[in-house]
Amino acid sequence: EAQVTQNPRYLITVTGKKLTVTCSQNMNHEYMSWYRQDPGLGLRQIYYSMNVEVTDKGDVPEGYKVSRKEKRNFPLILESPSPNQTSLYFCASSRSAAGAKNIQYFGAGTRLSVL
Amino acid sequence: DQQVKQNSPSLSVQEGRISILNCDYTNSMFDYFLWYKKYPAEGPTFLISISSIKDKNEDGRFTVFLNKSAKHLSLHIVPSQPGDSAVYFCAALISNFGNEKLTFGTGTRLTIIP
Repeated sequence: EAQVTQNPRYLITVTGKKLTVTCSQNMNHEYMSWYRQDPGLGLRQIYYSMNVEVTDKGDVPEGYKVSRKEKRNFPLILESPSPNQTSLYFCASSRSAAGAKNIQYFGAGTRLSVL
Repeated sequence: DQQVKQNSPSLSVQEGRISILNCDYTNSMFDYFLWYKKYPAEGPTFLISISSIKDKNEDGRFTVFLNKSAKHLSLHIVPSQPGDSAVYFCAALISNFGNEKLTFGTGTRLTIIP
């Protein structure tokens, strides 16, 4: 089954404790992306990757890191989480970033609370 | 600066009637638009899209209309069914190689009343 898998689904942590949210896709997609969803703000892009070893900042990259060492995986790293990073996070992938091919498949989401 | 706006946070429609969800954008460089649907505790799923060279695209009960001069698009669902109750996001894309980025609106929660 084609899917994007994120783990964990729920996470409660404390300020400053490094964490990683994993994302894996089994569709051989080139493009992967991370979003956060906040009330009244919709989905905002954090980082994206157009292929292995190619990553770029989205709209809200501050406080986040990503890596793309393999095509299928795109982890999101919070080196020193802060309460304003409490949010619902989605990983997504698509065959290509360009035009009609940019139909993104989303994971089920990770709800993060930073105390 | 919200480049893609969905000004109605919520909408309630009677089952069987037409649902119309609206989306406005400010960036004239956007050349591709998509609608995504999201159920609680799930990720968004793609619904329908339209290129800026068209003004209408239809897929079953779903039709998207694009008015480029007004920088406005709308999603029509007819007839509306209870399973259509979800949050709908519109999204816009600039197909500029090296800068492909999807910009989402804030979402509209659609409730279909049986």
